[in-house]
Amino acid sequence: EVQLVESGGGLVQPGGSLRLSCTASGFTFSSSYMNWVRLAPGKGLEWVASIKPDGSEKNYVDSVKGRFTISRDNAKNALSLQMNNLRAEDTAVYYCSRDQAYGRGGYYYSVFDHWGQGTLVTVSS
Amino acid sequence: AIQMTQSPSSLSASVGDRITITCRASQDIRDILGWYQQKPGKAPKVLIHAASTLQSGVSSRFSGSGSGTDFTLTISSLQPEDFATYYCLQDYSYPLTFGQGTKVEIK
Repeated sequence: EVQLVESGGGLVQPGGSLRLSCTASGFTFSSSYMNWVRLAPGKGLEWVASIKPDGSEKNYVDSVKGRFTISRDNAKNALSLQMNNLRAEDTAVYYCSRDQAYGRGGYYYSVFDHWGQGTLVTVSS
Repeated sequence: AIQMTQSPSSLSASVGDRITITCRASQDIRDILGWYQQKPGKAPKVLIHAASTLQSGVSSRFSGSGSGTDFTLTISSLQPEDFATYYCLQDYSYPLTFGQGTKVEIK
């Protein structure tokens, strides 16, 4: 059974840092694209970051570039999101998600088929 | 960044109704779009990928269509468990972007 378990959320002051973790099991983690997606209070889903299976390519939403870093440890089946210089607008539930991306006709299609339960990050003084 | 404009933002419907949600991309994204359902306090769930491919295990009352810039999600006969918020997601290019969401409520 595929499982994704996030941890590391909490209350942090503006300008502070937090590191989220996601522990994976039940699938070949080292072969999977992984993502972070967030849901802010009263808002819609927002894709935050993604990382290739071997960690060689990372992508971010513009609002977190230079502040957040996605990383992975395939030996430990672990995904991380280091969040620095946090702002009030980063307050959200953060989900890690597996992307069962597949190729067809020269294009890649994403399928975020498994998600963690989410971890709440609150940025407030 | 590609903008995804989803409509309506909310709708009220009854069990058994057929409903349609639309998503418009700000540029051609071929068929590289998915649909997700989210219930309060729960993680999202993928319904459709590649615009029209039903995810394994998802009820056939869900269907997707479209390509280029205009896409639709249809629920053929709304069931009580379908009351939720629905999002489209373009995965054609980074940054990936979701539509604003459509909250489906009980009439």
